[in-house]
Amino acid sequence: GAGVSQSPSNKVTEKGKDVELRCDPISGHTALYWYRQSLGQGLEFLIYFQGNSAPDKSGLPSDRFSAERTGGSVSTLTIQRTQQEDSAVYLCASGSPPGGDTQYFGPGTRLTVL
Amino acid sequence: EDQVTQSPEALRLQEGESSSLNCSYTVSGLRGLFWYRQDPGKGPEFLFTLYSAGEEKEKERLKATLTKKESFLHITAPKPEDSATYLCAVPYSGGSNYKLTFGKGTLLTVNP
Repeated sequence: GAGVSQSPSNKVTEKGKDVELRCDPISGHTALYWYRQSLGQGLEFLIYFQGNSAPDKSGLPSDRFSAERTGGSVSTLTIQRTQQEDSAVYLCASGSPPGGDTQYFGPGTRLTVL
Repeated sequence: EDQVTQSPEALRLQEGESSSLNCSYTVSGLRGLFWYRQDPGKGPEFLFTLYSAGEEKEKERLKATLTKKESFLHITAPKPEDSATYLCAVPYSGGSNYKLTFGKGTLLTVNP
């Protein structure tokens, strides 16, 4: 079946511009997670959705970062006024806890802020 | 705070040379330990989940084991196509939130 998809695969933007990253989870998965992977760093948790609500936003690095999920499916991660330190690969994962706690990852969006 | 440490950071093997990767963790109330493989430019690919000490799982040339403090990923007679970064992760120990804490990974290179 179809896995997690993300778009765009690559995004180059200028400092100060806003960007939107999209995630399409596996159909039927209730949980959705955003992570960030920077050079030299491990994967860092950003935000967790259960259905359309986000009970854990503790990993968002600043108020420039926001995310939403609609229809219990697609999620969008928005970064406002991008900074060079936002450059990273943004990964989305979905799963169906608590009975199915394995998270399946998408291919990621590589964001480069010039 | 949950912590995951992987060693070595990098490992270079000759084809057919077996070895092991280590993942040590400190977490209260372990709800599983996950192994992923990540190829360059791709997202992590799920390999195994282990839930209790003594558990083992195998897939082709890979075998994952778990103790109360660490997990090992054993690679038997590796091939060049096993070259990748191997990540381990543990889920958050509270409620229905399974957000993962990852180690920094082991970069495995298998030379022909």
